[in-house]
Amino acid sequence: NAGVTQTPKFRILKIGQSMTLQCTQDMNHNYMYWYRQDPGMGLKLIYYSVGAGITDKGEVPNGYNVSRSTTEDFPLRLELAAPSQTSVYFCASSLPDRVNEQYFGPGTRLTVT
Amino acid sequence: QKEVEQNSGPLSVPEGAIASLNCTYSDRGSQSFFWYRQYSGKSPELIMFIYSNGDKEDGRFTAQLNKASQYVSLLIRDSQPSDSATYLCALYNNNDMRFGAGTRLTVKP
Repeated sequence: NAGVTQTPKFRILKIGQSMTLQCTQDMNHNYMYWYRQDPGMGLKLIYYSVGAGITDKGEVPNGYNVSRSTTEDFPLRLELAAPSQTSVYFCASSLPDRVNEQYFGPGTRLTVT
Repeated sequence: QKEVEQNSGPLSVPEGAIASLNCTYSDRGSQSFFWYRQYSGKSPELIMFIYSNGDKEDGRFTAQLNKASQYVSLLIRDSQPSDSATYLCALYNNNDMRFGAGTRLTVKP
């Protein structure tokens, strides 16, 4: 099993550009999450999904969109990139009865200039 | 008031000593509590979780929870240089996970 994979590892965007951060897990986990981590800070939940076709907002959803068409994939979309979205983005997944065991991907480091 | 408060450190302890990491939280509805370890440039990894008041031990790690005082701590016994990392406290309530900013721990040989 590859676990949770994220692409790309690094990306530099110009203000106003858009992009999709990819996240895939091969553990058949129902629950998936997107977090952002700013320098010296903890993680903040952006969006989460409890299964295919079901998504919900977390603590900091503004400026982002998600979709969940399959169990495996949970892409995060930035439509109009802003410097405030410069951060490291982590995707995670878990089983619904083991939400404490979140498996994290390696992260995507995004810079918006 | 931040929802999850941690001393940012750095906390420095000599090898073999006990490292004590503390976390306070404001949401009394929080159901479960976690400690994650994060090495520089890496993703967080779960060390401990605790649901009930009291202590929970796992090897060199002990998590302590006091819901009345809204306080959770992590003790690392026999600290090793490989324990040097940032430790994130997190709490879970109804599909929402909230993290503290983390405490940076340095264990000196």
